[in-house]
Amino acid sequence: RKEVEQDPGPFNVPEGATVAFNCTYSNSASQSFFWYRQDCRKEPKLLMSVYSSGNEDGRFTAQLNRASQYISLLIRDSKLSDSATYLCVVPNQAGTALIFGKGTTLSVSS
Amino acid sequence: GAVVSQHPSRVICKSGTSVKIECRSLDFQATTMFWYRQFPKKSLMLMATSNEGSKATYEQGVEKDKFLINHASLTLSTLTVTSAHPEDSSFYICSVRQGANNQPQHFGDGTRLSIL
Repeated sequence: RKEVEQDPGPFNVPEGATVAFNCTYSNSASQSFFWYRQDCRKEPKLLMSVYSSGNEDGRFTAQLNRASQYISLLIRDSKLSDSATYLCVVPNQAGTALIFGKGTTLSVSS
Repeated sequence: GAVVSQHPSRVICKSGTSVKIECRSLDFQATTMFWYRQFPKKSLMLMATSNEGSKATYEQGVEKDKFLINHASLTLSTLTVTSAHPEDSSFYICSVRQGANNQPQHFGDGTRLSIL
């Protein structure tokens, strides 16, 4: 299994839709996980941190399944402004740096 | 407000030029900073971990003599791309982490480097 692997995408959804992305990771000892959002030609911005079973922030919900080693990101009531690439991020084996997934591209249309 | 400041945001220069990129931690002292590179439609790849007052730790496959990192103070790390060539053209981004290893990183705006 790769250190971090994401749904290939792209996801094309209409406004108001609910969409979910999955991410699998290989390091079973990982304790912290992150979802970042990256807009085209911009730097990544932290969307959500996950330290326990999950986290919720408004329309965004992240869930962690340690047994299966995957993290999901659920976006409810999609907005046009949600269009971006979503990066799943986990610590490296040594726990000293972060490893980024290739990202899943979301396109929300009206 | 911004946590990390990166400068310059855009560089276009001739092949053979050396280019220095600065990364400043604005809100807190950072003993560790990270340098990433991202090619179009690819994921961020960690190049090196910059350690204040000591040598940087480079990832496998990254030439330390090509990408010089200096972390002389708790708020500033620099990446110098020496004798840059067209294949070095990329998006270079730095990040800082506040606190322990399990904390998220905050990124600078990135530097888009184009070598002609």
